[in-house]
Amino acid sequence: QSVLTQPPSVSAAPGQKVTISCSGTVSNIGNNYVSWYQHLPGTAPKLLIYDNSLRPSGIPARFSGSKSVTSATLDITGLQTGDEADYYCGTWDDSLNTGVLGGGTKLTVL
Amino acid sequence: QVQLQESGPGLIKPSETLSLTCTVSGDSISSGIHYWGWARQPPGKGLEWIGSVYNSGTTHKNPTLKSRISISVHTPENEFSLKVRSVTATDTAVYYCARARFGRGTNAYFFSIDVWGKGATVTVSS
Repeated sequence: QSVLTQPPSVSAAPGQKVTISCSGTVSNIGNNYVSWYQHLPGTAPKLLIYDNSLRPSGIPARFSGSKSVTSATLDITGLQTGDEADYYCGTWDDSLNTGVLGGGTKLTVL
Repeated sequence: QVQLQESGPGLIKPSETLSLTCTVSGDSISSGIHYWGWARQPPGKGLEWIGSVYNSGTTHKNPTLKSRISISVHTPENEFSLKVRSVTATDTAVYYCARARFGRGTNAYFFSIDVWGKGATVTVSS
């Protein structure tokens, strides 16, 4: 059971926009920066967003992140079938004194 | 290009110690810029962050695993390792080694995992 709560699944049609939420507390999201990861089965996870809203080199602008108080969101616009994957949020937890990952959200592109 | 490669036994028996090593290429653990850590994914479940180590030996560990794990750096070999003691079937998972950014920004910690290994499958079974 993760300290960061994500919906188990979300879905949308190709070309549409989807939002994935990540809910935490003051000791994690509330006090610290959030990151997001994409994980396709059988591959290494990939960093999509760091420091709440920054994209690493090579990540398309279709992926964007934001944070408000103790929650964060990942928006994906112009959905493609290749975006079907599991998505995880992550941050530092001051109380646990370690990094934490959310439970993950499975994105289905219908 | 930074690459991480996990290595270790794919099958171990219950109550034994799981030992994995991560070999780093394209970066130097001794540079002191990053932390180095481990995550795992049990079958059918999500990713779980296990913990991380700095080149000084400072570690941060998942509290649920803290009593059973050791994370160490081996700077001459540019490697770091994970040991999980007294394993059970619930420790069966794909284990990933990773490079993490961690530090104190403006009134907040930043923590993100920017490089991942491809993963090593470890099965605990008699």
